[in-house]
Amino acid sequence: NAGVMQNPRHLVRRRGQEARLRCSPMKGHSHVYWYRQLPEEGLKFMVYLQKENIIDESGMPKERFSAEFPKEGPSILRIQQVVRGDSAAYFCASSTLGQGSTDTQYFGPGTRLTVL
Amino acid sequence: SQQGEEDPQALSIQEGENATMNCSYKTSINNLQWYRQNSGRGLVHLILIRSNEREKHSGRLRVTLDTSKKSSSLLITASRAADTASYFCATEKGSQGNLIFGKGTKLSVKP
Repeated sequence: NAGVMQNPRHLVRRRGQEARLRCSPMKGHSHVYWYRQLPEEGLKFMVYLQKENIIDESGMPKERFSAEFPKEGPSILRIQQVVRGDSAAYFCASSTLGQGSTDTQYFGPGTRLTVL
Repeated sequence: SQQGEEDPQALSIQEGENATMNCSYKTSINNLQWYRQNSGRGLVHLILIRSNEREKHSGRLRVTLDTSKKSSSLLITASRAADTASYFCATEKGSQGNLIFGKGTKLSVKP
């Protein structure tokens, strides 16, 4: 059973371009979480999705950021018109139970976004 | 303010020694989890302790939880150089399941 997969592992974009980060949860997991980590910091929650639904996006900036988890395919975190402050490591995690239950979140290796 | 805050921020010990890291949080929790992150890598789940548990063991790891003091500790016994990493505690926000992390303790184990 493969773990959580993220790609690309490293992504370089120039200011104003778009960044698309992909996350494939573990097999059988239908809950996906995205986190952002700045250097020397802990992870900060961004968004929680189930298949075809955004459950909680309270941690995601209102502008330029969007996320989806379609019925088929990976979850996508999309950042439009990137700025230097978007440079960070973006981690995806998945779990089986999600809301209202106690469950372990399994993390992917992350995508390191660098904005030039 | 952060939900989970670890201390110390950095810890340097010799191989074979024990390492203790602490975590404090502010609001009531369902559970508390500890994760390890090697430099430049993803997080590895170490252990989950529920709010009705006081102590839990997993191999060389021992986690305690004191809900009255809103604190937890992670003890790594007989440390190894391979334990060098950052360690984070995380609590769940409400019933949504999204985790709130502290800034972590950076542990360095010297051979």
